[in-house]
Amino acid sequence: GQQVMQIPQYQHVQEGEDFTTYCNSSTTLSNIQWYKQRPGGHPVFLIQLVKSGEVKKQKRLTFQFGEAKKNSSLHITATQTTDVGTYFCAAPPTLGRLYFGRGTQLTVWP
Amino acid sequence: DTEVTQTPKHLVMGMTNKKSLKCEQHMGHRAMYWYKQKAKKPPELMFVYSYEKLSINESVPSRFSPECPNSSLLNLHLHALQPEDSALYLCASSLTGVRDTQYFGPGTRLTVL
Repeated sequence: GQQVMQIPQYQHVQEGEDFTTYCNSSTTLSNIQWYKQRPGGHPVFLIQLVKSGEVKKQKRLTFQFGEAKKNSSLHITATQTTDVGTYFCAAPPTLGRLYFGRGTQLTVWP
Repeated sequence: DTEVTQTPKHLVMGMTNKKSLKCEQHMGHRAMYWYKQKAKKPPELMFVYSYEKLSINESVPSRFSPECPNSSLLNLHLHALQPEDSALYLCASSLTGVRDTQYFGPGTRLTVL
């Protein structure tokens, strides 16, 4: 079964608009990882968050891990057409399996 | 070298065929994974090898048979597959386990006729 809930499933934005995807778990997570999969491609690791309340930035991408380590978000500022793809969060529950959220498919209109 | 390679890139097979998917990494990773991904869905874990031993089998049908000949190689042997097994098969590796970053290969796109 799915251990991590991710919303929204789809997001369409105009180039230059911001984008956010959210992941929530009912259990405390040891860490959370984010991956990006371009259309026709494979998942590519973006970042791992480990600490409570952690915030990390990669250029226009901001990743947050909640204080209770049960939720996380990925925010993209001023989207570009190169941001198109599906963004997955993934978390290892306590029993050692990495579960992927259902993903958020981002479309960016030029 | 942070690359995981997979062969073949594409595979079309009949339901009576036997084929194998191959995966290789030279990052010194000791955990390797097979995932199955259907269109517009997240990857689904199939098998995990840890230090060349099968540690997790997610109730995968026996027509899929994994093999880990050494720490760098991972195979997935296919036999008597069904059309619903058509999917992208992804291999991944990580340093020691699921808490480490997983590096994915490009995948094998499998079509079963």
